[in-house]
Amino acid sequence: AQSVTQLGSHVSVSEGTPVLLRCNYSSSYSPSLFWYVQHPNKGLQLLLKYTSAATLVKGINGFEAEFKKSETSFHLTKPSAHMSDAAEYFCAVSDSGGSNYKLTFGKGTLLTVNP
Amino acid sequence: KAGVTQTPRYLIKTRGQQVTLSCSPISGHRSVSWYQQTPGQGLQFLFEYFSETQRNKGNFPGRFSGRQFSNSRSEMNVSTLELGDSALYLCASSSRGDTQYFGPGTRLTVL
Repeated sequence: AQSVTQLGSHVSVSEGTPVLLRCNYSSSYSPSLFWYVQHPNKGLQLLLKYTSAATLVKGINGFEAEFKKSETSFHLTKPSAHMSDAAEYFCAVSDSGGSNYKLTFGKGTLLTVNP
Repeated sequence: KAGVTQTPRYLIKTRGQQVTLSCSPISGHRSVSWYQQTPGQGLQFLFEYFSETQRNKGNFPGRFSGRQFSNSRSEMNVSTLELGDSALYLCASSSRGDTQYFGPGTRLTVL
């Protein structure tokens, strides 16, 4: 069975400082991994995805994530936080077998950006 | 392309009632998945439909059901509502084997 662990339910940073949101996964197969962002009272927006092409994945709004198989990690980073980045972030892994029709999500990390 | 749309956006029901939620996928997407989001359990997979067939199902009671129409639109139904069914219900669509794109969700409140 697949699982995702997001370390830190709440991360607080100052505007202009780096962001690091941690995600570790468990998968029996070569996984596809995703980061989604959810702003208050909104649905999930895809930030980026890893599907075994390049280990460093660039997404929207300056976010990127690095897939490290040896560490089973897929941490999300951004060099400089903006106030508009304040939201909840979810890491997800695809269902086994390579089909992406079932996602298993982590519990989420709430990012607060202080002025 | 227009995104995934869900109707209604907000719904208030009482215990014991039933409810139907609707989802229209992105044009050309044939797979529709449903998720329940609650503060306690987080995001949980309900079921997925492809070409009018349920292809996968999560660990929810039989009160939760769904269907998909020939135009790929999908509905989910919850019968005999319980207080614990209060949640944000999210629909996602994808092309076969591709990334899932989510709608804004339907906020269901059960009183």
